[in-house]
Amino acid sequence: ELELLESGGDLVQSGGSLRLSCAGSGVIFRIYGMGWVRQAPGKGLEWVSSFTSTAGGTTYYSASVKGRFVISRDTSKNTLYLQINNLRVEDTAMYYCVRYGEGYRELAYWGQGTQVTVSS
Amino acid sequence: DIQMTQSPSTLSASVGDRVTITCRASQSISNLLAWYQHRPGRAPKLLIYKTSSLRSGVPSRFSGSASGTEFILTINSLQPDDFATYYCQQVYSYPLTFGGGTKVEI
Repeated sequence: ELELLESGGDLVQSGGSLRLSCAGSGVIFRIYGMGWVRQAPGKGLEWVSSFTSTAGGTTYYSASVKGRFVISRDTSKNTLYLQINNLRVEDTAMYYCVRYGEGYRELAYWGQGTQVTVSS
Repeated sequence: DIQMTQSPSTLSASVGDRVTITCRASQSISNLLAWYQHRPGRAPKLLIYKTSSLRSGVPSRFSGSASGTEFILTINSLQPDDFATYYCQQVYSYPLTFGGGTKVEI
């Protein structure tokens, strides 16, 4: 049974940093693309970043986080990371770790989420 | 970036109803569209990928179709567990973009 477990969410001040982690069990990270999706309070789902399964991996970011967030993975630890820098109040959200499915980039597996709250 | 316009934003229905949710892409995305169900307090769940492929384990009352850049999620015979928010997402190109969501309520 594939499981994704996020951690690292916290209450931080604006301008601060956090590193989110996503530990996977039963999944071979290097084969599948993975990423992060967030949901701000009262808002819809927003794709944040992806790390593809191509050789060496290619990273993608939404315009709202590019330059502040860095996605990475450690295949030896089966862990995906999201380094979040220069946090803004509008980054407050539940952050979900996701894994692509067998089709084409559909987000087939989701973790339970980790809450990031940014205070001003 | 590809914009996904989802409608309606809210839908009132009863158990047993047939409901349809529409998602329109701002440009061609081939068949690369997915649908998700999100219930409060739970992780979102993939229902359909590549427009009409039903994810294993998802009830057959869920189905997806398309006409050009308009995509439709149909739920036949709505069940109590189906009251949730539904999102479409284009996976044709980055940034991957979601529709605004449709809340299906009683």
